[in-house]
This record gives sequence, C-alpha cells and structure tokens, in this order.
Amino acid sequence: AIQMTQSPSSLSASVGDRVTITCRASQGIRNDLGWYQQKPGRAPKLLIYAASRLQSGVPSRFSGSGSGTDFTLTISSLQPEDFATYYCLQDYNFPWTFGQGTKVEFK
Amino acid sequence: QVQLQESGPGLVKPSETLVLTCTVSGGSISSYYWSWIRQPPGKGLEWIGYMYYTGSTTYNPSLKSRVTISVDTSKNQFSLKLSSVTAADTAVYYCARHVAAVDSGDYLDPWGQGTLVTVSS
Repeated sequence: AIQMTQSPSSLSASVGDRVTITCRASQGIRNDLGWYQQKPGRAPKLLIYAASRLQSGVPSRFSGSGSGTDFTLTISSLQPEDFATYYCLQDYNFPWTFGQGTKVEFK
Repeated sequence: QVQLQESGPGLVKPSETLVLTCTVSGGSISSYYWSWIRQPPGKGLEWIGYMYYTGSTTYNPSLKSRVTISVDTSKNQFSLKLSSVTAADTAVYYCARHVAAVDSGDYLDPWGQGTLVTVSS
C-alpha cells in the first residue's frame, strides 16, 4: 500500500496566518490526491480533489498544489472556523490511504 | 442534496459480526460508488472498501478476509459486514459517496455523520 506522510503532525497558528501542510507519497501518484478537513466529533469534509481542484462551496482561501509525490495544502489567511485536523487521501490505487493528519491549533 | 446516514448497533461482542447500514437520501444509489471508512477513537482514518451500485466491490487487503459490502437498491441502502471483530475494530464508522470522475480524479463526498461501534463483552 502507498504510504502517505503528512507534516507537521500539528501546528499552532493565529487568525490571519498563512498555513501550509504537506503530504508526501511513498511513490508517484500523479495528481490523485484529496484534502479533507475534520472538526471534533464531525465527519471529514472534502476541501480539495485532484490535488488542486477546489470543491464547490469551499472558501477560496484554501488551495492545493503538487503532483507526483509531494503535495501542499495552503490556507492563505486562517479563520477561526479553520481550526481542525486536516487529512490527505491518495486515490491513485487501492487500498486508498490517508495521511496521519495535521492538527491546526490556536496559538 | 444527497445525505447519508449510518445505522446499526453501537455495541458488538468480540468474535461476532458487526453489521452497519448506510441509507442514502436526496438521490439515487445507482450510478455511483459507495465507500466505508473507519476511525478508531483519537486516531486517523482507514479506508475499508467500496462498492458500485451493481454490486462489484473492492476491499482493503488488511480487512479483506473479514469484510463484505453489499447493496439494496430497492431501499437505497448499502451495508457493511465485518466478521470476527476484536477490540481493535472499535471505531467510528463512516459511509461516503465515492465520486469517480474520468477527468478529475476520485473523491469522497458527502460523508455520513458516523456511528461509533464499540467491541466489548
């Protein structure tokens, strides 16, 4: 199975900060990667698919980039509602695998 | 819009079979793929498997010998069966629509709210 490694595992930030989360695949996965946001006690929510395509209804402060093995999720200006855990998910081949998650906490 | 809701027992005894159902509302179960994902308390996400509405399935090899995903199109539902459960199977179980687009990749959206299943005697 493809291993997905996210970094950092957690970060502290303030409202208005630019936040970057990275995800590295153990082998090339083209652009077959999505990003999901999960708040405590809630189901994950799709933010980005195909590495850089913004899901309908998701604020434009979220963006994704990358291809092959290295991917990035960027929040351009962190908002109070963005404090959550973020997961990447590769859909290149089965079994689909998630990164271990990055928890974005309030500084 | 499409909504998903998981249902099933919250407590299962070790060695027994966990059975969950996902009911799809606001849209037809046909013409889409449907997935199950789980999350042990305080831990990350694990993809369990998916099925097409026709009944074809793909499972995570780590669970393949114990998992069955099936569909009931007449009820707009799909189900997960996980046999011989142990405490390690204690998790929140989510169902999700698996969107497979030829030119834009696959993704999971929307998700059900999740249901906690505890394996304990």
